[in-house]
Amino acid sequence: QQQVKQSPQSLIVQKGGISIINCAYENTAFDYFPWYQQFPGKGPALLIAIRPDVSEKKEGRFTISFNKSAKQFSLHIMDSQPGDSATYFCAASMSGGSNYKLTFGKGTLLTVNP
Amino acid sequence: DAGVIQSPRHEVTEMGQEVTLRCKPISGHNSLFWYRQTMMRGLELLIYFNNNVPIDDSGMPEDRFSAKMPNASFSTLKIQPSEPRDSAVYFCASCPGRNTGELFFGEGSRLTVL
Repeated sequence: QQQVKQSPQSLIVQKGGISIINCAYENTAFDYFPWYQQFPGKGPALLIAIRPDVSEKKEGRFTISFNKSAKQFSLHIMDSQPGDSATYFCAASMSGGSNYKLTFGKGTLLTVNP
Repeated sequence: DAGVIQSPRHEVTEMGQEVTLRCKPISGHNSLFWYRQTMMRGLELLIYFNNNVPIDDSGMPEDRFSAKMPNASFSTLKIQPSEPRDSAVYFCASCPGRNTGELFFGEGSRLTVL
């Protein structure tokens, strides 16, 4: 059972454009929703995260939009740059206690053309 | 401060051989996770430890896989005997806990079983 569904699988955007990646989750007990960025040959690294008490979080050119009723959240990359080309993973977890067992989406390969 | 350190970075072995992957988490982090990444299945959680104790090993695919964390600064993932379908990138990640869900990933161990 795939608990976090991510789309699209791949995305090509022109420099300066907006990249949008969507995720949907099933488990209503999830209360922590991070996005990770992975470059080739490297491990994933946390990009930005949101909790369900807010509907949007912005850090620089990166914004998470969260819709609790629809059980969906998305990553928007404004003014996309070639250096943003990477694989992006959404994830979700229940943050009770000190256990952060993340369930990842399958990833989106983003290519930003110069 | 050093990040999560994994070894070996690359391992090529023949079917039936024993494989041991090693991980040194970030000092002070009390949770450690082993993930497996493949194109088909994405990032899968195999097992995670909290304060050196295995909490959830439901992701370990079968008895050929085992993981240990003898102390706070070292963990191993062992596959015995290895099979070609075990070929993947294995990531170790650690988490400081303390109300943050950020996982810090190592650079991974790429395993090829011939």
